[in-house]
This record gives sequence, C-alpha cells and structure tokens, in this order.
Amino acid sequence: DVKVTQSSRYLVKRTGEKVFLECVQDMDHENMFWYRQDPGLGLRLIYFSYDVKMKEKGDIPEGYSVSREKKERFSLILESASTNQTSMYLCATKLGTEAFFGQGTRLTVV
Amino acid sequence: GEDVEQSLFLSVREGDSSVINCTYTDSSSTYLYWYKQEPGAGLQLLTYIFSNMDMKQDQRLTVLLNKKDKHLSLRIADTQTGDSAIYFCAEIPSGGYNKLIFGAGTRLAVHP
Repeated sequence: DVKVTQSSRYLVKRTGEKVFLECVQDMDHENMFWYRQDPGLGLRLIYFSYDVKMKEKGDIPEGYSVSREKKERFSLILESASTNQTSMYLCATKLGTEAFFGQGTRLTVV
Repeated sequence: GEDVEQSLFLSVREGDSSVINCTYTDSSSTYLYWYKQEPGAGLQLLTYIFSNMDMKQDQRLTVLLNKKDKHLSLRIADTQTGDSAIYFCAEIPSGGYNKLIFGAGTRLAVHP
C-alpha cells in the first residue's frame, strides 16, 4: 500500500512565524502536490512538483513556498504565517491515474 | 479555464439511491474522478472514468459521464449511514503536469 505521511495532524502557530509542513511518501512517485482545503471551496492547489528540485505554482501560491530536495519528501513553507492561512493542508502523490493523499494537517494561526 | 462545480449538500434516506452531480469546463479532460472524505480523514479514491467512456459500474457505485454537457454523476445504490461523507469530483485538465482540479465537495448526509 502506498503511504503518504504528513508530519503533524494538528498544528498551532503564531502570526509571523515561519512554518514547515512536511510530507513523505514511500513509493518513489515523481509527482507530489500540496493542497489546502476550506469549507465550500474544496481543495485548491498551492504548489506541485514533478521531480526533485522542480516545482510549479498552483492556483494559490501567494504566501507559500516549497522544497523538494529528495524524491520522497515535499515540504510546504509558510514564510510568515497569517491568520488567513488557517486551514487544512493535504499532501498528495500521483502515479499514473491515481492520486494518494495524506491524512492532512490542520493548521491554526493565532 | 479549469473549473469543477458541485452542489454543496445532499440529504438522503438510508436505503435510497444518492446521486451526486458535477460539471466541469475543460472538454479535453482525460480522466474524471470521485473521491470520498470521511470526517478527520484524507481523501480516498472511490472510482474514476476515462473520458472516452460514458459509464462505469463498480458494485454500488455507478459513474455516468456526459461529455457533450460536461456533466459527471456518481450514483450510490442502497445508501448506508457509512456513506455519509464529503464527495469530491476532480479532473485532470489538458495541459500536462497531471495536476488534479477539485470541486468544492458535496456533503452527503444519510438519515434513517
């Protein structure tokens, strides 16, 4: 079974802090994605990566950056957390037709 | 542009059929998906359909694709309380990168 592991289920951070959300996959997939999920808006794509050190902006990249130094790990970085970044963050990998999701990280910025 | 739309809520009686609808805008989409999200969990792939098909059945699930109207539906037969969840429609639009574009999700509530 494919496993996509997000380092934290719940996180509380202060406004202005630099926040790192980590995602690790164990199946050597090339494509990895970060989404945020908000009620009534569904999943919106923040960034994605199709290879090591390669990244592409999604639909809402502002306020975020990413890092992919190794194939199995894709990190989402909030440079200076703000309250409007309070959300559920979902990491996914994709191989062929199927995407696999982590359990999500619920981030609260206070 | 890429856009996927779904109604936000659906309430059905246990044992009835549920039909969740979705419209999309990219007529060149290759694959269309249905994902299920239970409370506190990530997304689980339920089923998908390739764009050259118009129907796919998998046990209690039936997916219908109307390419002309860009309309996708998911029918759940004999709906059970365990089917209560949020259902997301998603597409892979043309243009590469294999990224998935999701709708807002339909919350299905099953009542006795």
